[in-house]
Amino acid sequence: QKEVEQNSGPLSVPEGAIASLNCTYSDRGSQSFFWYRQYSGKSPELIMSIYSNGDKEDGRFTAQLNKASQYVSLLIRDSQPSDSATYLCAVPVGGSEKLVFGKGTKLTVNP
Amino acid sequence: DTEVTQTPKHLVMGMTNKKSLKCEQHMGHRAMYWYKQKAKKPPELMFVYSYEKLSINESVPSRFSPECPNSSLLNLHLHALQPEDSALYLCASSQDTGTGRTQYFGPGTRLTVL
Repeated sequence: QKEVEQNSGPLSVPEGAIASLNCTYSDRGSQSFFWYRQYSGKSPELIMSIYSNGDKEDGRFTAQLNKASQYVSLLIRDSQPSDSATYLCAVPVGGSEKLVFGKGTKLTVNP
Repeated sequence: DTEVTQTPKHLVMGMTNKKSLKCEQHMGHRAMYWYKQKAKKPPELMFVYSYEKLSINESVPSRFSPECPNSSLLNLHLHALQPEDSALYLCASSQDTGTGRTQYFGPGTRLTVL
């Protein structure tokens, strides 16, 4: 089993809809989880970090964590064309500084 | 301010050249990282420096040589690269290497090896 897996997509949603991005991880000891957004040709940009079970909201973004199910998700409400990018889930392996990324989910928001 | 800068933005080099990539941060972070990202792939960790000492080398070929002259600077020296080394090279920094520290990425250097 790969360490971090994401629904590979691509995912296409209409403007104003909710986009749902999912990620599972294999290391039960993982304590921190990150979502990065990467526009084509650019570097990853931190969107959200989450450490505790439950939901964490920041504007239109909500991260959800379920450690028992080893599952973390990112919801984007009222999706905008500017949200079109690849979203990367990242998890430190073994509590170390080594950040392992999922393959990413490419999101397209259609006007 | 969460800015990490990288120079140059683009680099084209031949297989016999020697070049260096530079990364700088002024956030007082004590951990710095080099990642390699191929097209349509996620970033892959290459090296980690913690308090200016190399703490992780992900079995990177010796043609890549990292250097951390001080807590704000990170270099990646390149020599005798292969065309398959063409990629986006990303530098990142974090407060330290403690669990859960957020890594902030620079804009990257797009490297092409001819």
